[in-house]
Amino acid sequence: KAGVTQTPRYLIKTRGQQVTLSCSPISGHRSVSWYQQTPGQGLQFLFEYFSETQRNKGNFPGRFSGRQFSNSRSEMNVSTLELGDSALYLCASRGEGYQETQYFGPGTRLLVL
Amino acid sequence: AQSVTQPDIHITVSEGASLELRCNYSYGATPYLFWYVQSPGQGLQLLLKYFSGDTLVQGIKGFEAEFKRSQSSFNLRKPSVHWSDAAEYFCAVGAGAGSYQLTFGKGTKLSVIP
Repeated sequence: KAGVTQTPRYLIKTRGQQVTLSCSPISGHRSVSWYQQTPGQGLQFLFEYFSETQRNKGNFPGRFSGRQFSNSRSEMNVSTLELGDSALYLCASRGEGYQETQYFGPGTRLLVL
Repeated sequence: AQSVTQPDIHITVSEGASLELRCNYSYGATPYLFWYVQSPGQGLQLLLKYFSGDTLVQGIKGFEAEFKRSQSSFNLRKPSVHWSDAAEYFCAVGAGAGSYQLTFGKGTKLSVIP
């Protein structure tokens, strides 16, 4: 089975712009979660989608949004970028069942100038 | 709300020496606990997980972890470290069986001296 894939891998934007990141989960996985990783704050949960519905959301401003498509692929969008949004954004997918493991993609590294 | 503490930011060990990485968690119910490893520029790879049952959990790459409820700990161990184990290690606690999120510790960076 192919793993979780994320595109693009690297991205450079300027303040005020918006950005869309994409995640393709492992085949058959309907749960997709997003995490932000920064040196200062570490790994923080952004949100989780399951069957096209946002099921859980972390403590991030409304500039961070996401969606999930019928094929379980997910996108996250950050509007009005700030310097502090520079981070590694990780996507993870998970099968159903409470003992299922969350598998992570390689991440998208976003640099905001 | 759950939280995870990894007291050691950076650990250096010699190749062949034993390793123990500490993890303490705070969670009101029975925790789901995980150790992940991250190599530079990579995503997170699961080493092992604990949901219930035997408190000593075996993982990949020769790692094991022991869940101690009385100490709220889930320490990661390896009897003999290899140079390829140099990476950053994250302990995490998972919330709930339905809506699912992981809360991570700040990580411990492991350096291995040849």
